[in-house]
Amino acid sequence: DAGVIQSPRHEVTEMGQEVTLRCKPISGHDYLFWYRQTMMRGLELLIYFNNNVPIDDSGMPEDRFSAKMPNASFSTLKIQPSEPRDSAVYFCASMKDSSNQPQHFGDGTRLSIL
Amino acid sequence: AQSVTQLGSHVSVSEGALVLLRCNYSSSVPPYLFWYVQYPNQGLQLLLKYTTGATLVKGINGFEAEFKKSETSFHLTKPSAHMSDAAEYFCAVSEDTGGFKTIFGAGTRLFVKA
Repeated sequence: DAGVIQSPRHEVTEMGQEVTLRCKPISGHDYLFWYRQTMMRGLELLIYFNNNVPIDDSGMPEDRFSAKMPNASFSTLKIQPSEPRDSAVYFCASMKDSSNQPQHFGDGTRLSIL
Repeated sequence: AQSVTQLGSHVSVSEGALVLLRCNYSSSVPPYLFWYVQYPNQGLQLLLKYTTGATLVKGINGFEAEFKKSETSFHLTKPSAHMSDAAEYFCAVSEDTGGFKTIFGAGTRLFVKA
């Protein structure tokens, strides 16, 4: 059973460039989450989807961040334009059903903005 | 409103010693409680969860946790630490209020000394 798949695993780019992070959730999972993890701020929820519909994007830091889920098997998180302070590890997670189920995390994308 | 407090951002134990990682929560309804582990360069993985029923929950790798409603606690323990247990541990609480809401603690990094 394949887990949550994220790509790329590492991304290094220059300030001002567009960055696209990709996520394939576990088949049959209804929820998809995007998190950001840094030493200073810990694990932050950016946005989550239920059945491909964005439910809560209150954690998205700025308009430079956007997320889409065009179908049940794919989601993207875009940063445009990127800034050095966006450097972090970005995780995607998926979950079945609702609150009493665990989230399944991908291995993350380590993003470095120079 | 939910909240999670993990006491101690860093815990250090000797190999073979008892591991105790503390988690206290607040919740307006009966909570669902989770412990996750994160190894370097990986996403979070579920260790164990409490939803209903038996308050002592056993998880993977010899870990267990006990739900104590009167103390609003869900501490994680392991009788004998192994070097491979060195990782970061996250406690999380979720509520079934007709929608999704999971809060993660700030994490506790466990160091195991030889």
